[in-house]
Amino acid sequence: AQSVAQPEDQVNVAEGNPLTVKCTYSVSGNPYLFWYVQYPNRGLQFLLKYITGDNLVKGSYGFEAEFNKSQTSFHLKKPSALVSDSALYFCAVRVARGYSTLTFGKGTMLLVSP
Amino acid sequence: DVKVTQSSRYLVKRTGEKVFLECVQDMDHENMFWYRQDPGLGLRLIYFSYDVKMKEKGDIPEGYSVSREKKERFSLILESASTNQTSMYLCASSLSSEQYFGPGTRLTVT
Repeated sequence: AQSVAQPEDQVNVAEGNPLTVKCTYSVSGNPYLFWYVQYPNRGLQFLLKYITGDNLVKGSYGFEAEFNKSQTSFHLKKPSALVSDSALYFCAVRVARGYSTLTFGKGTMLLVSP
Repeated sequence: DVKVTQSSRYLVKRTGEKVFLECVQDMDHENMFWYRQDPGLGLRLIYFSYDVKMKEKGDIPEGYSVSREKKERFSLILESASTNQTSMYLCASSLSSEQYFGPGTRLTVT
């Protein structure tokens, strides 16, 4: 079985400050990891993924995430938050063999204040 | 760009009605998915399909069925809608790793 935990329901940060949205995972084998963002009344947009290789993955809109195998974490980061980054963020995992479905976390609401 | 479209953004149906939610993708993706999204529960997989006429149950298939007659189209069917099926329904498609999502259908069953 595979699972994802996003321990924070909400993260508050001031504009211009760095932000981190946390994600830990559990999977039998090597993982494929993903981050998605959802703006109000919209579908999910793909931000970035870790498949293999460099543990630091760069994605859309200046976001990046660091894969840490020993801590089974894949935290989303951005050096300088924007008010427009305010949205719901989802982490997802699947096992890296054959084909399997994605398991999503429950989501973290990011609120960036001006 | 991948485009996934869903037939309705908002839908209101009565209890007991048969409801069809349509999803179309334009990138020749093999795999398509239906999720429901509820506050505090994240996304839960209802059904998925990895080929035409093929379907697999996800985590919460009860009360739903699906149809995939053409590669680009994946339909979700609520055989007899109930109030506990009020939710946001999201369709997605993928070729290999990441999934691409439609805008969602917010279904209210009264």
